[in-house]
Amino acid sequence: AQRVTQPEKLLSVFKGAPVELKCNYSYSGSPELFWYVQYSRQRLQLLLRHISRESIKGFTADLNKGETSFHLKKPFAQEEDSAMYYCALSGLNTDKLIFGTGTRLQVFP
Amino acid sequence: DVKVTQSSRYLVKRTGEKVFLECVQDMDHENMFWYRQDPGLGLRLIYFSYDVKMKEKGDIPEGYSVSREKKERFSLILESASTNQTSMYLCASGDSTRGTQYFGPGTRLLVL
Repeated sequence: AQRVTQPEKLLSVFKGAPVELKCNYSYSGSPELFWYVQYSRQRLQLLLRHISRESIKGFTADLNKGETSFHLKKPFAQEEDSAMYYCALSGLNTDKLIFGTGTRLQVFP
Repeated sequence: DVKVTQSSRYLVKRTGEKVFLECVQDMDHENMFWYRQDPGLGLRLIYFSYDVKMKEKGDIPEGYSVSREKKERFSLILESASTNQTSMYLCASGDSTRGTQYFGPGTRLLVL
């Protein structure tokens, strides 16, 4: 079955600490993986996608096919990173997304 | 800039009422989606559409229907609202770039 798992509902860190938001997936094939973010009172938006191999707002994510993981990382968290983060998967030949349940990141000053 | 708008930010309806949620996008996208967003459950796909007059069921279509008469507009219909349909409803549109979707601001629906 196709599934995206985000084991943490809430992750709290202090400003300047490293952050890792976990995402594991189940998919028989070659999925594309994404991170979407929703800041307070803003709409959900794409943060990054694994095929781009880019760093957005200091965040990176590496697709590990062996561990079927796509964890989101940032070496030094900022208060403005506080938001709801969703990991999502897209299968081959489809534009549908399967979302995880989300992780709320709180960064304290 | 892609713009996805939803007809209402907040709605309060009574059990049994017919509810229309409308979504409009201005980027000529082929794909449009309706999700509901619930705490602890994430986003769940209700229906999606790849073209005008075309629709496909998502993961939780029961109790909902959709209409896409024009490319830019995708409507979600609750034929007879129930309290368990109280939720945040998100509309999204997407171009041919796999997995990239643009979301509306959401409609928070309360069914009493």
